[in-house]
Amino acid sequence: EAQVTQNPRYLITVTGKKLTVTCSQNMNHEYMSWYRQDPGLGLRQIYYSMNVEVTDKGDVPEGYKVSRKEKRNFPLILESPSPNQTSLYFCASSSHLGGQSGNEKLFFGSGTQLSVL
Amino acid sequence: AQTVTQSQPEMSVQEAETVTLSCTYDTSENNYYLFWYKQPPSRQMILVIRQEAYKQQNATENRFSVNFQKAAKSFSLKISDSQLGDTAMYFCAFMKRNGNQFYFGTGTSLTVIP
Repeated sequence: EAQVTQNPRYLITVTGKKLTVTCSQNMNHEYMSWYRQDPGLGLRQIYYSMNVEVTDKGDVPEGYKVSRKEKRNFPLILESPSPNQTSLYFCASSSHLGGQSGNEKLFFGSGTQLSVL
Repeated sequence: AQTVTQSQPEMSVQEAETVTLSCTYDTSENNYYLFWYKQPPSRQMILVIRQEAYKQQNATENRFSVNFQKAAKSFSLKISDSQLGDTAMYFCAFMKRNGNQFYFGTGTSLTVIP
């Protein structure tokens, strides 16, 4: 089954304790991205990647890191989490974003609810 | 950056009735895509409908249709024969053609009342 898999679904941590949220897709997609969802603010892009070893900042990258060493994986790293990073996080992927296929759309993971105390 | 505005934070509709969710966007681009995503209580993001700006015909998917007004930069979603399973948060999104970023609105929480 084609899917984007995020882990964990729920995570409670304390300020300053490094954490990683994993994201993996099995559709051979070039494009992957991370979003955070906050009430009243919708989804905002954190980072995106057009392909292996190619990453770029989105609209709210501060406090986050990403890496794209393999095509299927795109982990989100919080080196020193703070309470303002408490949010619902989504990973997404697409095969055609940035191209000219006319079939652009995002496939989303099931989300990670993060609480930083 | 592009902006997407959803001015209705919450809406409700009686089961079997029709409801329209509004979305406006601001862009200087001529070629782009617009989307409506549904997020039920399960939190999963589900693509409802997609519109290509260079197509004048409004997209439809079963009970879901859009009213795309390019000059007005408006992209509303109409849900006909509303069902209880339509209860969800709905997000409007924009992406320019050949772009690499999606821009989302703040969402409209829709409740279908039995």
